[in-house]
Amino acid sequence: EAQVTQNPRYLITVTGKKLTVTCSQNMNHEYMSWYRQDPGLGLRQIYYSMNVEVTDKGDVPEGYKVSRKEKRNFPLILESPSPNQTSLYFCASSLSFQSRNTIYFGEGSWLTVV
Amino acid sequence: QKEVEQNSGPLSVPEGAIASLNCTYSDRGSQSFFWYRQYSGKSPELIMFIYSNGDKEDGRFTAQLNKASQYVSLLIRDSQPSDSATYLCAVSLAGSARQLTFGSGTQLTVLP
Repeated sequence: EAQVTQNPRYLITVTGKKLTVTCSQNMNHEYMSWYRQDPGLGLRQIYYSMNVEVTDKGDVPEGYKVSRKEKRNFPLILESPSPNQTSLYFCASSLSFQSRNTIYFGEGSWLTVV
Repeated sequence: QKEVEQNSGPLSVPEGAIASLNCTYSDRGSQSFFWYRQYSGKSPELIMFIYSNGDKEDGRFTAQLNKASQYVSLLIRDSQPSDSATYLCAVSLAGSARQLTFGSGTQLTVLP
């Protein structure tokens, strides 16, 4: 079954404690991205990756890091989380950057930073 | 001006009515347009896409695109309570490094 898997799904953490949200896809997709969703703001792209070892900033990259060492994995790293990073996060993948490719979303990760 | 704008709603319609959701976009060179449905706390799911001017129908859903007016809409006929969700408009903006730019979404409630 084609899927994008995120972990953890729910996390409460404290300010400053480094955390990583993992994302894995089993479809051999080249393009992967991370979004955050906040009330009234829709989905905003944090980082994206065109392929292995190729990553770039999206609209709201501040406070986040990513890596793409393997094609299937695209972890999101919060080095020093702050309360304004409390949000719902989605990982997504598609065959390529072309928007007409079907985009597969993970189930989302609810992150609360206190 | 936001790149992709939607009325945030909430929009309420009675069961069986037509729900009309609207979206405008700023980039005249945009090529591809998408409507996603998102239930509370769930991931977005694609329900319609449209690339050419005019109407595109899929079951109870019709997407309408007017590139001259930079306007895309979604009509839901015979609305059902199960259609209650947030509807996200997404646009592939010409020359953007972003795959898609999303609007903020319109919350739809279908009243039984």
